[in-house]
Amino acid sequence: GDSVTQTEGLVTLTKGLPVMLNCTYQTTYSPFLFWYVQHLNEAPKLLLKSSTDNKRTEHQGFYATLHKSSSSFHLQKSSVQLSDSALYFCALRPTNYGNEKITFGAGTKLTIKP
Amino acid sequence: EAAVTQSPRNKVTVTGGNVTLSCRQTNSHNYMYWYRQDTGHGLRLIHYSYGAGNLQIGDVPDGYKATRTTQEDFFLLLELASPSQTSLYFCASSDSNSDYTFGSGTRLLVI
Repeated sequence: GDSVTQTEGLVTLTKGLPVMLNCTYQTTYSPFLFWYVQHLNEAPKLLLKSSTDNKRTEHQGFYATLHKSSSSFHLQKSSVQLSDSALYFCALRPTNYGNEKITFGAGTKLTIKP
Repeated sequence: EAAVTQSPRNKVTVTGGNVTLSCRQTNSHNYMYWYRQDTGHGLRLIHYSYGAGNLQIGDVPDGYKATRTTQEDFFLLLELASPSQTSLYFCASSDSNSDYTFGSGTRLLVI
């Protein structure tokens, strides 16, 4: 079946440093990948998405590139801020006909210290 | 503004109790979903629906029923609640040309 793996459960960084959150996936169909961010006591919100191989997509200083050859969609930012502290989910929607449901990874909690 | 509204925001029930979680969307989306969120597991799909009267089984359906009464309304039913169902529940809606819109969540405690 379809699955998403996020290897880091917790990441703690000092403000201003770069970050990369790992995401790999498995599906037999062509994939659509997403990153969602969830701040404390809020609903998940879409951060960025992509279905195009080897094309970087960016939003709010975060960026990710879908690599179908390695089944990866890692999230990066060059300089984290205190406001980036949140839970980050990688998610997959296989683009088989009629499928709209998304499979989420377990999430990575990112904590930024001053 | 298009939205997904969940009620109640918080619920406490006893083991064996009967609980209904409600979700209403004003997005005119065809698809609606119920997820539960637990630390270390992310969001797991319980049930989903393609439209009024339609129900599809998700990845963790045991102990849950759901019903889509209208295009707007999707209910999650726990007929014999157990402590293992203590969780944060999210409803979401989507369509083939749109991203997911999530509700604010319902925090359920089964004691």
